[in-house]
Amino acid sequence: AQSVAQPEDQVNVAEGNPLTVKCTYSVSGNPYLFWYVQYPNRGLQFLLKYITGDNLVKGSYGFEAEFNKSQTSFHLKKPSALVSDSALYFCAVRDGRDSSYKLIFGSGTRLLVRP
Amino acid sequence: DTGVSQDPRHKITKRGQNVTFRCDPISEHNRLYWYRQTLGQGPEFLTYFQNEAQLEKSRLLSDRFSAERPKGSFSTLEIQRTEQGDSAMYLCASSLRGAGDYNEQFFGPGTRLTVL
Repeated sequence: AQSVAQPEDQVNVAEGNPLTVKCTYSVSGNPYLFWYVQYPNRGLQFLLKYITGDNLVKGSYGFEAEFNKSQTSFHLKKPSALVSDSALYFCAVRDGRDSSYKLIFGSGTRLLVRP
Repeated sequence: DTGVSQDPRHKITKRGQNVTFRCDPISEHNRLYWYRQTLGQGPEFLTYFQNEAQLEKSRLLSDRFSAERPKGSFSTLEIQRTEQGDSAMYLCASSLRGAGDYNEQFFGPGTRLTVL
């Protein structure tokens, strides 16, 4: 069965410090991995995706994520956090064998960046 | 705004009533998805359309739920005989079928349903 785990309900960082939001996944086929961000009263916004190729992918707003096949992880990172990055972050996976293209989401991690 | 739109944004209803939500995807997108998100959880897949064909339904979609996408454009999600457990945010997403089928899904703002 497909699943995504985000082990941290909340991550707290100081502005200017690097941040990491963790994600691990389980699929039977090739994983297609995504990160989305959700601001209050707004829909999910796409940040970045990993399909194949370079394990480090870059996305919107300075975010990047590193795919690690052996650890089945896809952690979200940013070198220098901004207060405006405070939001709810979701990791999602699509199983390459799934013909419905549906995404399986983690439970989310709230990022709080303090000034 | 050319993104995914949903209507209404909020719906309060009494238990036992029927409700219908509408989703307008990005115009050139031929795939459309419905998800449900409850407080403190990530979105859960409900159903998927490619053009007008409903190709997959989750076991979460009981027989009280029905979704349509006539003419492959907008979609509606109807819940009959609502129950308090149906209270959630209902999200619509769309994507474009392209080479390799790796395209990301774009989400609407959601419809928040409260069943009293």
